[in-house]
Amino acid sequence: EAGVAQSPRYKIIEKRQSVAFWCNPISGHATLYWYQQILGQGPKLLIQFQNNGVVDDSQLPKDRFSAERLKGVDSTLKIQPAKLEDSAVYLCASSSTGYGEQYFGPGTRLTVT
Amino acid sequence: GDSVTQMEGPVTLSEEAFLTINCTYTATGYPSLFWYVQYPGEGLQLLLKATKADDKGSNKGFEATYRKETTSFHLEKGSVQVSDSAVYFCALKSTNAGKSTFGDGTTLTVKP
Repeated sequence: EAGVAQSPRYKIIEKRQSVAFWCNPISGHATLYWYQQILGQGPKLLIQFQNNGVVDDSQLPKDRFSAERLKGVDSTLKIQPAKLEDSAVYLCASSSTGYGEQYFGPGTRLTVT
Repeated sequence: GDSVTQMEGPVTLSEEAFLTINCTYTATGYPSLFWYVQYPGEGLQLLLKATKADDKGSNKGFEATYRKETTSFHLEKGSVQVSDSAVYFCALKSTNAGKSTFGDGTTLTVKP
């Protein structure tokens, strides 16, 4: 069974530029999560999808971050414009239900200069 | 809101030593509790879980018991190996739409 795929693995941008991350969850998983992990901290949930509907986005900075999950499968997370404090690893995870084990992708390491 | 507090690291042990990593939580209702592990150069993966009070999760020699009365889920292993060196994250999933909250992680280094 293929795991959660993410791309790109690394990205370096200047502040005020925009960037997008892509995630392909495990086939058949209804729930998809995006996390932000700042160095030395635990993952912080940004948004949780159930199929293509948003379950929780209370910690998503909506003035600059957006996410979508078209057709309840792949998802993209966008930052526009980026700030220095957005430098972090962005993790995508999926689970078969909203209450079960999460399977994590390798993450995208974003550096904003 | 929900929160998870882990003991601060890093933790350095000798091989075959006993390991305890403390984890306490604050949440409404009866959350599910998890320990995830991140080995060097790899992604996060589930180590063990417990879904109700007094449940014990176990895997690879690690154990943790869901203690409702002390709101704790401490990770233990009787004899650590060098290969256990990793970052360990305690996490909960709330009964409110399954929202996830993670602790800040504890780095374990096991020396031969």
